[in-house]
Amino acid sequence: GIQVEQSPPDLILQEGANSTLRCNFSDSVNNLQWFHQNPWGQLINLFYIPSGTKQNGRLSATTVATERYSLLYISSSQTTDSGVYFCAGGYNQGGKLIFGQGTELSVKP
Amino acid sequence: AAGVIQSPRHLIKEKRETATLKCYPIPRHDTVYWYQQGPGQDPQFLISFYEKMQSDKGSIPDRFSAQQFSDYHSELNMSSLELGDSALYFCASSLGRGGYEQYFGPGTRLTVT
Repeated sequence: GIQVEQSPPDLILQEGANSTLRCNFSDSVNNLQWFHQNPWGQLINLFYIPSGTKQNGRLSATTVATERYSLLYISSSQTTDSGVYFCAGGYNQGGKLIFGQGTELSVKP
Repeated sequence: AAGVIQSPRHLIKEKRETATLKCYPIPRHDTVYWYQQGPGQDPQFLISFYEKMQSDKGSIPDRFSAQQFSDYHSELNMSSLELGDSALYFCASSLGRGGYEQYFGPGTRLTVT
């Protein structure tokens, strides 16, 4: 089955800094999503991005499906960006998502 | 915009008791997924339904069962609860299966004592 690997596992930033989170997946996917899990446990949809590039405010994401990786860019980070970022890939007709282990981001004021 | 609704949000049960979690998908969404997230772990797929039929099955214990009803809401039934069942349970819905964006509910936090 598909495996999803995220890097780095932990990241500490000063407020205002930029960062790049990476997600590698072992097989072709028909779905690739990025989530932010806030301190209250809620999974917030950031991007649905099986391929291509999308931007939403200070966040942007790129998926290169042929090379089996996706990147999440966070610019001008804020303390409210803290939390765990998950990528998840789906690859079969059933549609289940396989999650990576997450990147725990801490933004210091 | 309407989101996925889960109830209850918090649930405390004792070992060997039963629990029922409910999920109301986004209107017009025909596919529901259940995921379990243990402490410090990533969410793990349990089971999914498409048009009221089981679509896929993951590492769901035999003590758990689920179904999707005619109004598309879904229920996850958990029996003979164990301490290890303590987790955050998410429901997600999508319009179609296999490659469509999944929208997650706020989760039900189950604590088994």
